[in-house]
Amino acid sequence: DAGVTQSPTHLIKTRGQQVTLRCSPISGHKSVSWYQQVLGQGPQFIFQYYEKEERGRGNFPDRFSARQFPNYSSELNVNALLLGDSALYLCASSFAQGSPYEQYFGPGTRLTVT
Amino acid sequence: KNEVEQSPQNLTAQEGEFITINCSYSVGISALHWLQQHPGGGIVSLFMLSSGKKKHGRLIATINIQEKHSSLHITASHPRDSAVYICAVRRGHMDSNYQLIWGAGTKLIIKP
Repeated sequence: DAGVTQSPTHLIKTRGQQVTLRCSPISGHKSVSWYQQVLGQGPQFIFQYYEKEERGRGNFPDRFSARQFPNYSSELNVNALLLGDSALYLCASSFAQGSPYEQYFGPGTRLTVT
Repeated sequence: KNEVEQSPQNLTAQEGEFITINCSYSVGISALHWLQQHPGGGIVSLFMLSSGKKKHGRLIATINIQEKHSSLHITASHPRDSAVYICAVRRGHMDSNYQLIWGAGTKLIIKP
């Protein structure tokens, strides 16, 4: 079975541009979470979506938005990119929200903003 | 003080050694995760614990809810175990948002 997939794997953008990152969860999983991992730091929670609704949001500005589609795939959008948005963006899926549902992580999208 | 603390930050050992990585947390949790991150970024979930002990192959994870402490052990360590090991906890009740609070990670290097 395919695991969590993310696209693209690498991306280079310039300041002020907009970017869209994509995530496909494991088949049957209905919850998707997004995390940002800046180099040398632990991941920071951005969003959780479950059944196409936003169920949680971390401490990120409104430039960050996301959505979940009927097939449970998800997109993370970042507008007006800043140099500090350079990071590894991780997507994780789980069957549902909450314990005892384990999260499975994708390989990440490495975003570089120049 | 961080809500999730890991120790040590860095660990270098020889192949075959028994490895222990510790995680302490200061909040009430519903689950604790141990994850592995290799260079290049991909994160693999190793264990999810809410009590007791779990074992997968050479990996063992334990948790003591009363002491708010968990350990990850690696027996007969191998150079391919070299990675960053991350402890993350989920705060809250069964139905709350799945927001993980992450430790800073332990960078493990196993020398042949």
